[in-house]
Amino acid sequence: DQQVKQNSPSLSVQEGRISILNCDYTNSMFDYFLWYKKYPAEGPTFLISISSIKDKNEDGRFTVFLNKSAKHLSLHIVPSQPGDSAVYFCAAGDYGGSQGNLIFGKGTKLSVKP
Amino acid sequence: ETGVTQSPTHLIKTRGQQVTLRCSSQSGHNTVSWYQQALGQGPQFIFQYYREEENGRGNFPPRFSGLQFPNYSSELNVNALELDDSALYLCASSSLAGGIASTDTQYFGPGTRLTVL
Repeated sequence: DQQVKQNSPSLSVQEGRISILNCDYTNSMFDYFLWYKKYPAEGPTFLISISSIKDKNEDGRFTVFLNKSAKHLSLHIVPSQPGDSAVYFCAAGDYGGSQGNLIFGKGTKLSVKP
Repeated sequence: ETGVTQSPTHLIKTRGQQVTLRCSSQSGHNTVSWYQQALGQGPQFIFQYYREEENGRGNFPPRFSGLQFPNYSSELNVNALELDDSALYLCASSSLAGGIASTDTQYFGPGTRLTVL
C-alpha cells in the first residue's frame, strides 16, 4: 500500500505560468515533508521542505502548501521556467520516530514549454 | 564543502553474483541512507547507518547488507543477485543528533545504475 501518492505521472505547463504538483499521503505519523527534483542521470536534488506544524513554506519561486486534515500537500512554481523541466518527487518522513527514512511518491514529470 | 559521491556509475552483473556499491558522504554528515529506485518508481528505503550502526531498515531481505566506516563513507552489498535487483541505487547523507532523527535534509548522490542479466 502506497503511503505517499503522486497521482499525476506528468504535467505540461507554458513558460511563465504556474505549475502545481500534488501529493497525498495516508500515514498520519508523517511530520516532515520534502520535495526533490530529479534530472536524468542525476540523483534527486532537495528543493523545499515543510514540517507538520506549518501550512506554508516559501523559497523564491517555490511554495509548498500542507493541508494536514486532507493529508495533502502541493508544490507551486511561479513563474515556471524551461529549466524547471524534471521529475519531481514528494517525500515524507516520521521524524518524531527514530529512523528518519523517507517514503517517496512515484514522481511527476514536469515539462515547461517555452 | 564536498557533495555526496557514489561509485561506480554503472555496473553489469549476472544473476547469483555479489556486488558492492560505495558512497562517500557529504562533509560533516554522520548518517547515510541507501535507497533503491526501480524504473518508473520513487526511491525505496533500504536501510540507514548512523555512527557505523544500522539505524533502521526497510522491507528488503538480509542479502542486502551495509557498512559505514569511521570516515562516514559507506558500502551497500547485495548477495545472490536477482534480475529484479536491477535498479538505480542511491545513497543520501544527513546529520542526526544522538541517534534520534532530526529534520535535517537528506542529500543524494548521483546513484549507481545496476543491471543484472
